[in-house]
Amino acid sequence: QQPVQSPQAVILREGEDAVINCSSSKALYSVHWYRQKHGEAPVFLMILLKGGEQKGHDKISASFNEKKQQSSLYLTASQLSYSGTYFCGTAVNTGTASKLTFGTGTRLQVTL
Amino acid sequence: EPEVTQTPSHQVTQMGQEVILRCVPISNHLYFYWYRQILGQKVEFLVSFYNNEISEKSEIFDDQFSVERPDGSNFTLKIRSTKLEDSAMYFCASLSGSPSYEQYFGPGTRLTVT
Repeated sequence: QQPVQSPQAVILREGEDAVINCSSSKALYSVHWYRQKHGEAPVFLMILLKGGEQKGHDKISASFNEKKQQSSLYLTASQLSYSGTYFCGTAVNTGTASKLTFGTGTRLQVTL
Repeated sequence: EPEVTQTPSHQVTQMGQEVILRCVPISNHLYFYWYRQILGQKVEFLVSFYNNEISEKSEIFDDQFSVERPDGSNFTLKIRSTKLEDSAMYFCASLSGSPSYEQYFGPGTRLTVT
């Protein structure tokens, strides 16, 4: 069963913040966040592992709430380059070969 | 920086024909995947491969599909008899293994079945 992402789409002005959520009905081992620009491959952003953690680099950070099986991606002071579709991919197994099940994506558009 | 490469970037084929999509994973990676993305939709898992055998496959990955790592560097996806609904972007991904769980995607092959 695929994770549910919200919102489906968001439009921001440059400099504004956004939060993208990813929820699963299954117990997760890890959550992977990717950004995909039109016609390109998904680009890895970060991974959060079971145990509940928070990560970040630059102005993009994420958290994983193990109790709720929910992850949130935080984009602060958004830049034009942040535009794209953000996917969360979830893994339910501990094995490193575990497949990722992707959500339907959140389309983010940053404007001037 | 090492990256996953895929060829061709675009493949057009007629329904019923066989196609082979090629991937060169990152050299020290041990786990390999194929995903597909139908235009405008989410990325879907097809198959994972480790130690020269399939680890897991989805319901999409039926008898028409096969994967191979023929020479220790290439990783191929074969579709024996293509259907119109096989038209999609096909992404190869690789993962190094513990302690890293990051899957890196290749640029994709756009398959168009006419």
